[in-house]
Amino acid sequence: DQQVKQNSPSLSVQEGRISILNCDYTNSMFDYFLWYKKYPAEGPTFLISISSIKDKNEDGRFTVFLNKSAKHLSLHIVPSQPGDSAVYFCAAEDSGAGSYQLTFGKGTKLSVIP
Amino acid sequence: GAGVSQSPRYKVAKRGQDVALRCDPISGHVSLFWYQQALGQGPEFLTYFQNEAQLDKSGLPSDRFFAERPEGSVSTLKIQRTQQEDSAVYLCASSFDNLAASSYEQYFGPGTRLTVT
Repeated sequence: DQQVKQNSPSLSVQEGRISILNCDYTNSMFDYFLWYKKYPAEGPTFLISISSIKDKNEDGRFTVFLNKSAKHLSLHIVPSQPGDSAVYFCAAEDSGAGSYQLTFGKGTKLSVIP
Repeated sequence: GAGVSQSPRYKVAKRGQDVALRCDPISGHVSLFWYQQALGQGPEFLTYFQNEAQLDKSGLPSDRFFAERPEGSVSTLKIQRTQQEDSAVYLCASSFDNLAASSYEQYFGPGTRLTVT
């Protein structure tokens, strides 16, 4: 029973265009969402997050959108750069559960083509 | 080093051997987490410490898995009598203080890749 789903295992985008990575969740208790980026042989690196009280958060080229009613969030990268090529993980947290554990999706491998 | 460090980076164990994986969190970080990442999957939660107290161990897959953080800093994940299904990358993460922080960001180490043969 996967509570966080990233249905696209991979995505290819031309350099300079927009990358849109999607994530769906099933647990309505999740109230904080994060995106992590992972290069091979490295640990995940935090990118951007959003609280459930917001519907958008922006940080430079990265914007996360949250649609609570649809239990859906997306990460937009504009413009995409070759260095953005990595695996992107969506993660969610139920802050009321007390353990602050993150529940991750399986990841989407983004390839930005020069 | 300002980040989370883990050692060893790679470990090969024969089935039935015991292994110990070490995590050095970012200095001053109160919370420490262990995750297991199988090939092609996202990280899965194993256990959580706040200082030296293990507050959640609900993700540990069996009683062969044991974690400790005796002085509230360095943590060790021990796996007894390793099995082939234990082969995975074991990730450690730390965060400042979830009770006071305005975010829940966890900083991850590079992981230990465990291969059980």
